[in-house]
Order: sequence, then structure tokens, then C-alpha cells
Amino acid sequence: GNSVTQMEGPVTLSEEAFLTINCTYTATGYPSLFWYVQYPGEGLQLLLKATKADDKGSNKGFEATYRKETTSFHLEKGSVQVSDSAVYFCALSSNYKLTFGKGTLLTVNP
Amino acid sequence: SQTIHQWPATLVQPVGSPLSLECTVEGTSNPNLYWYRQAAGRGLQLLFYSVGIGQISSEVPQNLSASRPQDRQFILSSKKLLLSDSGFYLCAWSTSGTSGTNEQFFGPGTRLTVL
Repeated sequence: GNSVTQMEGPVTLSEEAFLTINCTYTATGYPSLFWYVQYPGEGLQLLLKATKADDKGSNKGFEATYRKETTSFHLEKGSVQVSDSAVYFCALSSNYKLTFGKGTLLTVNP
Repeated sequence: SQTIHQWPATLVQPVGSPLSLECTVEGTSNPNLYWYRQAAGRGLQLLFYSVGIGQISSEVPQNLSASRPQDRQFILSSKKLLLSDSGFYLCAWSTSGTSGTNEQFFGPGTRLTVL
């Protein structure tokens, strides 16, 4: 079946540091890939997406590239801010459903 | 634009009491609807999904049930709550069908504490 593996963290960075959160997947066919973000006490928000190989999703300074050859969709940001502190989830779509990774807690200190 | 509502926002219930959580979507027709549970410090668990009125698929056997009485209304219920039912319940919707990206849009969640 489908699965998503992401680094569980927690990840602690200083403001303006470079961020990478690794995500790899196992799936049949050609799923779409997503990163969601969850701020404390809130629901999930779609951060970015990619629908086919070599697509790059980007939003709010975050980027991720759909790498079919390595089955990866790593999340990156060049300079994190305190306001980026949240839990980040990698996910893939198959038919009606999403398969999520376990989430990575990011804390950014001033 | 589409919006999704959940209520209540927080709920404290005794063990053995019934439960009803409601989710409604505005601004779209015939959405796919989903219920997830997120236990403290853990990932998301898909509980139920529905691709149409009266159609419910269950992902995990448990003492919870779901119903979809109207196109844009999704209800999560229990006859008798267990301590293990505590968690953060999230409703989500996506466009109908299996084509497209199937991205899901989440509600604000309901924090349930069973004592």
C-alpha cells in the first residue's frame, strides 16, 4: 500500500536558518504530493503541492520538488522565521484519500 | 469561495456519554467529506470518508460512526464514549471524483476530552 515517511524531528532552528524536512513515499501509479502545515490548536492548511514528476510547488518561501526517481518531496526554505514554527505534514493522494506522514515539529527561535 | 465549519470547538464529555460532532461545507456541491482524528503528539488517522449522500466508508473499526444526511453535512457520532476517544477531530473536504489532485481542505477542528 501507499506510505509516507518523513523525518519526525523535532527540528529546532534559529531565525534565518535554512530548513530541510525530508519526505519519501511509496505509492503505485503517479500520486499528487502535498505539504500541509498545522499551527498550534488549528486545523491543517495546504502549504504547497505538486501533481507530476519534476513539478516544483512553492508558497510563502517554501519549496518542494517532486522527484520520481528518488520518490521524494523534501520541503525547503532558505530563511525561516519565528512565525514558521508549526507541525509540517507530507502527504500523497490516491483515489479519494490522502496518506500522511507522521508530522515534523519545527520550532524557530529568535 | 468555499468554507468549512466544525462545531463545537471544544468538548468535555464523561465516559459512556454520547457524542455528536458536526461539519458543514459551503460554496461547493457534492464534495468528498472526511473525518480524521489526531491524538496528542501523533499524526492523522482517517476515520471515515464519504463520496455522496448516505455513502460512508469506514477506515478503522471502533465505537464511532458517521452519517451524511445532506450533501454538505457530515456528522460523527458515538453512543458511548471511551477514554481512548479523546483527541482532536478534523473534518475535511475535497472536490468530487478521483481525478485531479484531490487536495483536501480542513476545518478548524474539535478538541474532545473524555473524562
